[in-house]
Amino acid sequence: DQQVKQNSPSLSVQEGRISILNCDYTNSMFDYFLWYKKYPAEGPTFLISISSIKDKNEDGRFTVFLNKSAKHLSLHIVPSQPGDSAVYFCAASGGIQGAQKLVFGQGTRLTINP
Amino acid sequence: NAGVTQTPKFRILKIGQSMTLQCTQDMNHNYMYWYRQDPGMGLKLIYYSVGAGITDKGEVPNGYNVSRSTTEDFPLRLELAAPSQTSVYFCASRVARSGNTIYFGEGSWLTVV
Repeated sequence: DQQVKQNSPSLSVQEGRISILNCDYTNSMFDYFLWYKKYPAEGPTFLISISSIKDKNEDGRFTVFLNKSAKHLSLHIVPSQPGDSAVYFCAASGGIQGAQKLVFGQGTRLTINP
Repeated sequence: NAGVTQTPKFRILKIGQSMTLQCTQDMNHNYMYWYRQDPGMGLKLIYYSVGAGITDKGEVPNGYNVSRSTTEDFPLRLELAAPSQTSVYFCASRVARSGNTIYFGEGSWLTVV
């Protein structure tokens, strides 16, 4: 039972354009969502997060949008830069039992082309 | 500022051997986690701990054991290594308050042959 899904295994975007990464979830108890970025041979690093009481959070070039009714969130990167090439994981937590744990999606490999 | 430190970084095991992946954090975080990542897959939670002396199973605990005798350390034990345990293992930690981000170690690459 995949509670957090990233249906696009890979995405290729031209440098300077907008990158949009998508994530869907099934558990309505999730109330906190995060995006992590992972380079090869390194651990994931935190990028940006959003609480379920908000529908948008911005941090520089990165914006996360949350649509609770659709159980969908997206990460927008604009403008995209070569250093953004990495695997991006969506993660979620929440509920009485689940607050301690993060559930991850499968990841999307983003490639920024010069 | 060490953060979350995992050892070893690389290890090759023979089927049936045992080993311990070490994890230590110096941020005084209550919560610690062990995840595994298989090729092309997301991170799956093996075990987690909400404090010293308290551990609980995640999604994929079979074949593993953990202990948490101190706040800083959270070792992961493989008792009888199997090829299905070939994976990259990540230790992580965070403070107790819900919503705080978790911090990952650099990973341990384990191959069972």
